[in-house]
Amino acid sequence: AQTVTQSQPEMSVQEAETVTLSCTYDTSENNYYLFWYKQPPSRQMILVIRQEAYKQQNATENRFSVNFQKAAKSFSLKISDSQLGDTAMYFCAFLNSGGSNYKLTFGKGTLLTVNP
Amino acid sequence: DTGVSQNPRHKITKRGQNVTFRCDPISEHNRLYWYRQTLGQGPEFLTYFQNEAQLEKSRLLSDRFSAERPKGSFSTLEIQRTEQGDSAMYLCATTPRGDEKLFFGSGTQLSVL
Repeated sequence: AQTVTQSQPEMSVQEAETVTLSCTYDTSENNYYLFWYKQPPSRQMILVIRQEAYKQQNATENRFSVNFQKAAKSFSLKISDSQLGDTAMYFCAFLNSGGSNYKLTFGKGTLLTVNP
Repeated sequence: DTGVSQNPRHKITKRGQNVTFRCDPISEHNRLYWYRQTLGQGPEFLTYFQNEAQLEKSRLLSDRFSAERPKGSFSTLEIQRTEQGDSAMYLCATTPRGDEKLFFGSGTQLSVL
């Protein structure tokens, strides 16, 4: 079974600054995807970014980028130029693409607060 | 709005009552998932459908829980004889064939008094 660990329950950052959220995972699989989801106060889960394990290049989506270290099983999210609207719970998630059910395993989340 | 619709948004019920939630997926999304999320935790997998077939159930899904997806379209999640520990957000997510991206609904917040 896969596990996902987010060791930072809460973090805060000043508007316009950069923040990095940590995530580690444990798996014996070789083919998988990793995701960061954002859950604002509205509680709608929104996909922020995803990374295929077979790709060495780190994924980027505008102000969001990841540092994927496969050997270390680490998958951190960097948010640049933080905005007030980035305030939310952020969940790291794992999906075994070698399976057939596409079941996501989530971490416990990191509450990010962006201060003005 | 992802296109996945869940109803109701909120449900308050008394302990011992039965409740039913509904999820309407994005058209042609053949996979449908139910997750449960308690305060301060990440979502936990409950069950999964591929079309109308329920292919996997978590051990979290006790005998009081039942889910259906007739004709592979909308899905319902029923909880019988609710307990206070059932209070949580129940999330539905769907994905098209061969795609790893899950589209989540806004969830149903259940409060059991």
